[in-house]
Amino acid sequence: GNSVTQMEGPVTLSEEAFLTINCTYTATGYPSLFWYVQYPGEGLQLLLKATKADDKGSNKGFEATYRKETTSFHLEKGSVQVSDSAVYFCALSSGGSNYKLTFGKGTLLTVNP
Amino acid sequence: DAGVIQSPRHEVTEMGQEVTLRCKPISGHDYLFWYRQTMMRGLELLIYFNNNVPIDDSGMPEDRFSAKMPNASFSTLKIQPSEPRDSAVYFCASSFRTRRGTGELFFGEGSRLTVL
Repeated sequence: GNSVTQMEGPVTLSEEAFLTINCTYTATGYPSLFWYVQYPGEGLQLLLKATKADDKGSNKGFEATYRKETTSFHLEKGSVQVSDSAVYFCALSSGGSNYKLTFGKGTLLTVNP
Repeated sequence: DAGVIQSPRHEVTEMGQEVTLRCKPISGHDYLFWYRQTMMRGLELLIYFNNNVPIDDSGMPEDRFSAKMPNASFSTLKIQPSEPRDSAVYFCASSFRTRRGTGELFFGEGSRLTVL
């Protein structure tokens, strides 16, 4: 079956530090890959996505590249801000018309001023 | 535009009581999902609907859980009887079909359930 493994947190960084959150997946076929973010007290919201190999998703300074050869979709940001403090979820969909998302367990990021 | 609306935001109840969680999806979305979030298990898909029809309920923990979608603008998740291990945040999300079949999920703010 499908599964997503992401690095366990919590991750604590100082403002302007470089961020990497690792994510690897197991899936049949050619899944689409997503990063969702959950700010305190809120629901999840889509941060970025990639639908095929070598695609790069980007938004708000965050980037992730779909690497089929390593089955990875690592999230990166060059300079984090306090406002980036949140829980980040890696997820995949089964592809095609199947909207069933499989999520990783989430990584809590805390950015200190 | 209004997002996905869930109610109640918080519910505290005693073991054995019936709990009903409600969700109003975004207008025009034809997929609706119920997720449960706990520290131990993360986010789990309980059930999802397409055009008001349940498509996959394999994530529903047991017969105490039931979900309905009587029309395109309303869904309920019911737990009867509730147990302390049901304590979690329950999220509703909606989506729509895209040409590539990989639509973004739009989540509500969640219903935090505590069963004493």
